Amino acid sequence: QVQLVQTGAEVKKPGASVKVSCQASGYSFTSYDIIWVRQATGQGLVMMGWMNPNSGNTGDLQNFRHRIALTTDSSISTAYMELFSLTPADTATYYCGRAIRNRLYSDLWGPGTLVTVSS
Amino acid sequence: EVVLTQSPGTLSLSPGDRATLSCRASQSVPNNFLAWYRQTPGQAPRLLIYDASTRATGIPDRFSASGSGTDFTLTINSLEPDDFAVYHCHQYGNSPRTFGQGTRVEVK
Repeated sequence: QVQLVQTGAEVKKPGASVKVSCQASGYSFTSYDIIWVRQATGQGLVMMGWMNPNSGNTGDLQNFRHRIALTTDSSISTAYMELFSLTPADTATYYCGRAIRNRLYSDLWGPGTLVTVSS
Repeated sequence: EVVLTQSPGTLSLSPGDRATLSCRASQSVPNNFLAWYRQTPGQAPRLLIYDASTRATGIPDRFSASGSGTDFTLTINSLEPDDFAVYHCHQYGNSPRTFGQGTRVEVK
């Protein structure tokens, strides 16, 4: 079955970091890019960045520069998004998506991971 | 950064009605690299349209889309219960890729 499975919900304190995983199955992991977007409750989707698991290239990280790290482990078909120095404004649902290479629209999404930042 | 403005913010319609949603870009989208997604409450987005007018796999022909440059439109004919949702446009022609703020289609 072609799917993306994400980490369960997380609760973090301000200043902490969070690492969300996204495990792919049912397709060739290195043949597609992975994009990360987030969505605060009742708000729109916000692009966080993308990564090519084959080359290790990343992009579109401008909005979260210095606070985000995208990595992949192709041996287990898993992508990771780590966000540092969390504030309550980072409370959101984080989605990974399988993105068509050189196009970066997503034809397959993970179920989302709710990250709550609260003291 | 390309800003995508979707209108209207909310569309109130009845089942069986036609919905017309707009997405306007602050600058031209290269190659008409624009996608539309539908998102129902508590669910991840689902790809409907890519490259401005191509339906994704499994999407019925009730969904159609058009546009080029800065103006794009999604039309949904004969709304069904699952169509009452939020619709997002997404441009992937310029870096950084960006999304619109969404249009909610609600039951009138």
